[in-house]
Amino acid sequence: GAGVSQSPSNKVTEKGKDVELRCDPISGHTALYWYRQSLGQGLEFLIYFQGNSAPDKSGLPSDRFSAERTGGSVSTLTIQRTQQEDSAVYLCASSPQQGASYEQYFGPGTRLTVT
Amino acid sequence: GNSVTQMEGPVTLSEEAFLTINCTYTATGYPSLFWYVQYPGEGLQLLLKATKADDKGSNKGFEATYRKETTSFHLEKGSVQVSDSAVYFCALTLRSGGGADGLTFGKGTHLIIQP
Repeated sequence: GAGVSQSPSNKVTEKGKDVELRCDPISGHTALYWYRQSLGQGLEFLIYFQGNSAPDKSGLPSDRFSAERTGGSVSTLTIQRTQQEDSAVYLCASSPQQGASYEQYFGPGTRLTVT
Repeated sequence: GNSVTQMEGPVTLSEEAFLTINCTYTATGYPSLFWYVQYPGEGLQLLLKATKADDKGSNKGFEATYRKETTSFHLEKGSVQVSDSAVYFCALTLRSGGGADGLTFGKGTHLIIQP
């Protein structure tokens, strides 16, 4: 079946603007994760959804970052008032969370550039 | 907190050489361990996993054994190929409730295989 998809694949925005990044997980996967990959910080966990609720938001770097998930499927990561340090590749992953299978399947990412 | 430490590269080897990439971890509970690989221009892919002590994960000729006593999960391959050139990430996750926390990644090891 289809893998995790993300849109847009690339986004260039001006400092101070808001952006929305979208993730479509693998059908039937109950867990969804957002990560950020940047040269300086490596791969950082941002937020985790189980169904529509977010039990762990500990990785969100500031209150400019928020995320929601509706219908237990699509998720949107919103960054308000973007800053240059927000430039990174934003990765989404989903997981079936069944039994001992905690594998996470990653999407191709959205490359965000803040100018 | 949780952390993963892996050797940073680049690691340059000749084709057919033996590969070891070291990975050690600290965790507040009993983690599941993973190696992910990122080929040039592609997304993160799960390479192998182990969910309990002494488990050996294996895939595509790569192996790693979950060593609880040394908190390690070293990646090995007996004979590397040019096509193995990629960035390799060691990662862990902890089970929580009915699911698993976000992955904690090492900084990645860039592997270059020369013909």
